[in-house]
Amino acid sequence: AQKITQTQPGMFVQEKEAVTLDCTYDTSDQSYGLFWYKQPSSGEMIFLIYQGSYDEQNATEGRYSLNFQKARKSANLVISASQLGDSAMYFCAMRESPGGGNKLTFGTGTQLKVEL
Amino acid sequence: EAGVAQSPRYKIIEKRQSVAFWCNPISGHATLYWYQQILGQGPKLLIQFQNNGVVDDSQLPKDRFSAERLKGVDSTLKIQPAKLEDSAVYLCASSLSGTGNEQFFGPGTRLTVL
Repeated sequence: AQKITQTQPGMFVQEKEAVTLDCTYDTSDQSYGLFWYKQPSSGEMIFLIYQGSYDEQNATEGRYSLNFQKARKSANLVISASQLGDSAMYFCAMRESPGGGNKLTFGTGTQLKVEL
Repeated sequence: EAGVAQSPRYKIIEKRQSVAFWCNPISGHATLYWYQQILGQGPKLLIQFQNNGVVDDSQLPKDRFSAERLKGVDSTLKIQPAKLEDSAVYLCASSLSGTGNEQFFGPGTRLTVL
């Protein structure tokens, strides 16, 4: 079974609108972390936001927020007020611990296109 | 603060040839990772170093891939001999420790095997 599932291969959003990128995960660990990374066409992976499994509040970083629903095992990324520069590939990833060290398992990604 | 450096950025080789990639992590970062990202997929961890010791190499194809981090700083990933299916972007990342929250990625090396 896939550990990280991103069901949206591509998404379009208009500039200044909000967009939600879906991510579901599968783990039997109690302690784990969920990450979102942005990968522009240049190829570099840019860290956006982190949510720990024990964090009670949803993580927020500027225009990024993570809608964490533990019972449903989902960790959706919400980007508010989209900008043209947000056009990129977005990856959801999970770190399982303690045996998994800091190894990240990535989903297949969602290509986001922001339009005027 | 300088980021993770990788070279070369692009490499084209014929199958059965050998190739090496170099990575210099962020200064002070004890943990270094090599990921393979095949087109259309997310990155997959190949090997993780803590200082100069290997923490996880369970997904490294050891018959053809090798990696070292001799002095606990920069690292080299080698493929010998290369196969067509090794065409991918090879990403290096580093973090302060093996349990830190954030991994910082380099720009990657795009390998094409013909």
